[in-house]
Amino acid sequence: GDSVTQMEGPVTLSEEAFLTINCTYTATGYPSLFWYVQYPGEGLQLLLKATKADDKGSNKGFEATYRKETTSFHLEKGSVQVSDSAVYFCALSVSGGYNKLIFGAGTRLAVHP
Amino acid sequence: NAGVMQNPRHLVRRRGQEARLRCSPMKGHSHVYWYRQLPEEGLKFMVYLQKENIIDESGMPKERFSAEFPKEGPSILRIQQVVRGDSAAYFCASSPETGMNTEAFFGQGTRLTVV
Repeated sequence: GDSVTQMEGPVTLSEEAFLTINCTYTATGYPSLFWYVQYPGEGLQLLLKATKADDKGSNKGFEATYRKETTSFHLEKGSVQVSDSAVYFCALSVSGGYNKLIFGAGTRLAVHP
Repeated sequence: NAGVMQNPRHLVRRRGQEARLRCSPMKGHSHVYWYRQLPEEGLKFMVYLQKENIIDESGMPKERFSAEFPKEGPSILRIQQVVRGDSAAYFCASSPETGMNTEAFFGQGTRLTVV
């Protein structure tokens, strides 16, 4: 079945460091891909998305490119801030016409000053 | 325009009691999804409902769990005879329509603790 695999955390970085969080997926058909962010005690917020191969989603300095050949959707940011500390979830939306999301296990990011 | 509202935010139940979790979707949204997040894990899909209809309940445990989305009022996720393993965060999401290009908006979740 469809699944999402993320790199395990926690990821600990210093402020202004470069961030990569790996995400690979298995899916039948052509899913849409998402990154969600969850701040402590909060719900999930959509960070960015891509709906077809080679699309690049971007928001708040974060980017991810939909790579069909490697079935990947890695999240990157050139210079992280303390306020980026959160849990990041990669997800895919299964084909079938509605927003049933399959999530990875999440990667906790801690950014220190 | 208020976001997806879930209540209560925190719920404590003793083993064997019933838990009722409520979700009011965003205004104009007629599609509701429930997800469960176990500690240190990602969210797992439970059920997808439209007004008065369950469309996909493939992620719902076969026993003790039920969901509804009546014509009027919030969506309800009901857990009967709770056990310690039901302790989790339960998130509701809503969307105005279906389709892979439609964003689902999440509520802040209900954190259920079974003691």
